[in-house]
Amino acid sequence: QVQLQESGPGLVKPSETLSLTCTVSGGSISSYYWSWIRQPPGKGLEWIGYIYYIGSTKYNPSLKSRVIISVDTSKNQFALKLSSVTAADTAVYYCAREIPTPYYFDYWGQGTLVTVSS
Amino acid sequence: QSALTQPASVSGSPGQSITISCTGTSSDVGGYNYVSWYLQHPGKVPKLMIYDVSNRPSGVSNRFSGSKSGNTASLTISGLQAEDEADYYCSSYTNSNTRVFGGGTKLTVL
Repeated sequence: QVQLQESGPGLVKPSETLSLTCTVSGGSISSYYWSWIRQPPGKGLEWIGYIYYIGSTKYNPSLKSRVIISVDTSKNQFALKLSSVTAADTAVYYCAREIPTPYYFDYWGQGTLVTVSS
Repeated sequence: QSALTQPASVSGSPGQSITISCTGTSSDVGGYNYVSWYLQHPGKVPKLMIYDVSNRPSGVSNRFSGSKSGNTASLTISGLQAEDEADYYCSSYTNSNTRVFGGGTKLTVL
C-alpha cells in the first residue's frame, strides 16, 4: 500500500520561502507524476504543480514564478518550495500521486497546515 | 487558468439521486476524457471516486457514476445515503498539460 507523508514547518513568515517534503513509502517513486495540491481554510483545492520522476515539471501558471518542485529518487522523496509567501498562501498542503494518462490522483498524503504569519 | 465551475451546493433526501455539474471549456473538460471526481469529508483527505469521466476505482460504490457532454462533466449519486454528505470536487487535464480543479460542491443529505 502506497503511503505519502508531508513534512516541514507549520509556520512561515511573510516574504520567506515555504519548504515541504513528501516521503513516499510502500512503492517506488518511478513511473508516476508527483503533485502538490493545496487547500486554504474553508476553500477549495488548488493544483500547484507536478514533477515526473525523471525531473520534468509543470506548474500552475498563477504560481509558476514562485514555485520549484524537485525530486530525490534515492530517498523516494519530492519537495516543494514556494517563495515570497503571503497570508494568502496559508493552506493545507497535500502531496499526491498522479497516474500518467489518464491523469488522476489516486494516493494522497494526510496534508499539512502551513500558516503564513509574522 | 480558471477553476472549473461547480454549483456551490446541492441537496437531496436519502434514497434520492442527485447530479453535480462541472463546467469547463474546450481546453480542459471538453477537450479530453480526463475528468476525475473526489469526495472530501470535513477535515479529511480527498478520495478518488471517478476517473476517465466515468470509471470507478475498485471499492467505490456503483451508486456513483460519471458522464460528460461537451464542456460539462457530471457526477451522479443514486440512492443517497447520509455518509455521502461531503464536499465534491471535479478535476481535469488541460491543453497546457496542467491540472485544474472545480470550486467544489457541498452535498447535504436532508
